[in-house]
Amino acid sequence: NAGVTQTPKFRILKIGQSMTLQCTQDMNHNYMYWYRQDPGMGLKLIYYSVGAGITDKGEVPNGYNVSRSTTEDFPLRLELAAPSQTSVYFCASWTANSPLHFGNGTRLTVT
Amino acid sequence: QKEVEQNSGPLSVPEGAIASLNCTYSDRGSQSFFWYRQYSGKSPELIMSIYSNGDKEDGRFTAQLNKASQYVSLLIRDSQPSDSATYLCAVSANFGNEKLTFGTGTRLTIIP
Repeated sequence: NAGVTQTPKFRILKIGQSMTLQCTQDMNHNYMYWYRQDPGMGLKLIYYSVGAGITDKGEVPNGYNVSRSTTEDFPLRLELAAPSQTSVYFCASWTANSPLHFGNGTRLTVT
Repeated sequence: QKEVEQNSGPLSVPEGAIASLNCTYSDRGSQSFFWYRQYSGKSPELIMSIYSNGDKEDGRFTAQLNKASQYVSLLIRDSQPSDSATYLCAVSANFGNEKLTFGTGTRLTIIP
């Protein structure tokens, strides 16, 4: 199993550009999450999904959108990138009686 | 708003000593408590979970939970240089990993 795979690893965006952060897991987990981590800070939940076709907002959803058309994939969309979205983004998945599985992260810089 | 508070550190501990990390949380209904270790530039990894009051030991790590005081701690015995990392406390209102609220983390440095 590859676990949770995130692409790209790094990205630099100009203000106003859009992009999609990809996340896929091969563990058949129902729950998937997007977190962001600003320098020296903890993780804040952006969006989460409890299964295909179901998504919900987390603590900091503004400026982001998600979709969950399959169990495996949970992409995160930034429509109009702003400097405040400069962060490291972690995707994670979970199922009962298992730990939270994190991807390796995407480091995004908006200038 | 649910909050999880940690001393950001840095906390410096001599090699072989006990490192003590603390965390308080605001949501009295919280049910699940986790400690994650995060090396610089890496993703968090789970080292301990605890769900009921008292102590839980796993090797050199002991998690302690006091729900009445809304306090959870992590003790690392016989600290090693490889324990140098940021330790994140995370709390959930459910019995599981659903919608974790993370603290800002405590940076721990083990001095050889």
